[in-house]
Amino acid sequence: DAGITQSPRYKITETGRQVTLMCHQTWSHSYMFWYRQDLGHGLRLIYYSAAADITDKGEVPDGYVVSRSKTENFPLTLESATRSQTSVYFCASGTENTEAFFGQGTRLTVV
Amino acid sequence: GQSLEQPSEVTAVEGAIVQINCTYQTSGFYGLSWYQQHDGGAPTFLSYNALDGLEETGRFSSFLSRSDSYGYLLLQELQMKDSASYFCAVPDSWGKLQFGAGTQVVVTP
Repeated sequence: DAGITQSPRYKITETGRQVTLMCHQTWSHSYMFWYRQDLGHGLRLIYYSAAADITDKGEVPDGYVVSRSKTENFPLTLESATRSQTSVYFCASGTENTEAFFGQGTRLTVV
Repeated sequence: GQSLEQPSEVTAVEGAIVQINCTYQTSGFYGLSWYQQHDGGAPTFLSYNALDGLEETGRFSSFLSRSDSYGYLLLQELQMKDSASYFCAVPDSWGKLQFGAGTQVVVTP
């Protein structure tokens, strides 16, 4: 299916575990982004990528790792999950920095 | 760095007009975007302004004044389905797309 998909949609994990959230887009967009959304904070940028093998930190990168070996994939890894990382995570992609297309989100709960 | 300010909530009745303001501070300006997000859903793109003036798309319009570092989203003929959060967003020169905290629009009958 064309578009941008995130998996899993829901995840419960324990404190200290490593978790990887997947993001896949079929448009060959150059830009990809990871955001977290918490009540009262809107969308906060975690990491972004301007192209394959080019990534950079956003506003709240601590505790997260990304990679982008292929244009279409942009996984986000929580190296050692903490309760403060409980959030809704959105992946997005775009051809320029004017319009971003969002995935449906991953609701992550760290217990 | 960049910062964006927008009101947290606006309430209006069906059929009314709502204006959501956004003021921004950026090291370089590359345009102002607006997104809509319904509860439980993903943000969706509404509009983009790179130049001063008004852009109209159906019932929604977006305005930009670069000299005032200010823009707004105008929602006309409000409908119940317009109840959602609305975000302004700006990119920087490196492509980072940063969002405001969002404005919740509540439409009442």
